[in-house]
Amino acid sequence: EVQLVESGGGLVQPGGSLRLSCAASGFTFSSYAMSWVRQAPGKGLEWVSAISGSGGSTYYADSVKGRFTISRDNSKNTLYLQVNSLRAEDTAVYYCAKTPTFPKPLFDYWGQGTLVTVSS
Amino acid sequence: QSALTQPASVSGSPGQSITISCTGTSSDVGGYNYVSWYQQHPGKAPKVMIYDVSNRPPGVSNRFSGSKSGNTASLTISGLQAEDEADYYCSSYTSSSTLGVFGGGTKLTVL
Repeated sequence: EVQLVESGGGLVQPGGSLRLSCAASGFTFSSYAMSWVRQAPGKGLEWVSAISGSGGSTYYADSVKGRFTISRDNSKNTLYLQVNSLRAEDTAVYYCAKTPTFPKPLFDYWGQGTLVTVSS
Repeated sequence: QSALTQPASVSGSPGQSITISCTGTSSDVGGYNYVSWYQQHPGKAPKVMIYDVSNRPPGVSNRFSGSKSGNTASLTISGLQAEDEADYYCSSYTSSSTLGVFGGGTKLTVL
């Protein structure tokens, strides 16, 4: 059974940083691209970042480019999102999602999400 | 403002059929057969219902179907059931950016 479990969210002040993690199991992690998709409270979905199976290629939405860094450790079956220079508008639930046919927007498995709240 | 346009809400009675539209441009919906649809219940993660315009993943009811005409994709749910009440999002590949785009979402109410 495929499982994705996010962690690392929390309350952080504007300008602060967090590292989000997503532990994967139930599939050959290194064979698939992975993504982070976020959802602000009461709002829609936004695809913020993706990474190839090897980790050699990374992609970012313009809204987070230069502030967020996606990475993965295939030996630990774990996906990461380093979020820096946080702004109030980054407040959202962050989901990791398996992206089997990147760059198609197909996310076949999702985690339960981790909430990031940016507030002073 | 989302890149893809969806109606904010739709409603239908049990047993009826409803259709949710998703309008983009020739750079996304109209140019590629890479449209997906997601169902999201309150407090839950999204679930893929349709991919590549009209394909259903294993386990998704055949009451859900997808189609596309020009720059508009559509999700049709037939035989509405109470459990279908949720938010629905479309997503498409786009040549305008490195990552795909989502619609703003449609709240489906089963009356």
